[in-house]
Amino acid sequence: EAQVTQNPRYLITVTGKKLTVTCSQNMNHEYMSWYRQDPGLGLRQIYYSMNVEVTDKGDVPEGYKVSRKEKRNFPLILESPSPNQTSLYFCASTPGQGARGGYTFGSGTRLTVV
Amino acid sequence: DAKTTQPPSMDCAEGRAANLPCNHSTISGNEYVYWYRQIHSQGPQYIIHGLKNNETNEMASLIITEDRKSSTLILPHATLRDTAVYYCIVRAYTGANSKLTFGKGITLSVRP
Repeated sequence: EAQVTQNPRYLITVTGKKLTVTCSQNMNHEYMSWYRQDPGLGLRQIYYSMNVEVTDKGDVPEGYKVSRKEKRNFPLILESPSPNQTSLYFCASTPGQGARGGYTFGSGTRLTVV
Repeated sequence: DAKTTQPPSMDCAEGRAANLPCNHSTISGNEYVYWYRQIHSQGPQYIIHGLKNNETNEMASLIITEDRKSSTLILPHATLRDTAVYYCIVRAYTGANSKLTFGKGITLSVRP
């Protein structure tokens, strides 16, 4: 089944403790992206990647890092999480720039930073 | 990308057609209209997209006005499982970042 898989689904952590949220897609998509969703603010893009080793900032990149060493994986790294990063996170992929199809989203990771 | 305007909410009876409107009066010639939905806190789900012709797939139909300034997503026989937030997004294919810009969407409530 074609899908984007995120792990974990739920995570509670403490301020300052580094964490990684994994994202993997099995569709050979070139483009991947991370979004966060907050009440009243909607979905906002954090980072995106157009292909292996090509990443760039989205609208709200502060406090996050990403890497794209393999086409299928696009982990989101929080080096020193803070309470304002408590949010619902989604990873998404699509075949590539200019692709006319839709995006496939993961099921989400609900992160709480205390 | 052009801005879209959707009413905040609407409801319809189960089994009836749900017609969800979207205004995008500043749409430019190379921008497509996309619809996604989000059920509760699940990941957004792609529904359909189009440029200027009406489109239909197994989930829905998309009707785009001739001037392309508005569109309507039609769910022909709404079920309780169609209760969700529906997002109308206008996006061009050009540019390095294939970003989707989500607005507030329209909350569709399907009643029994």
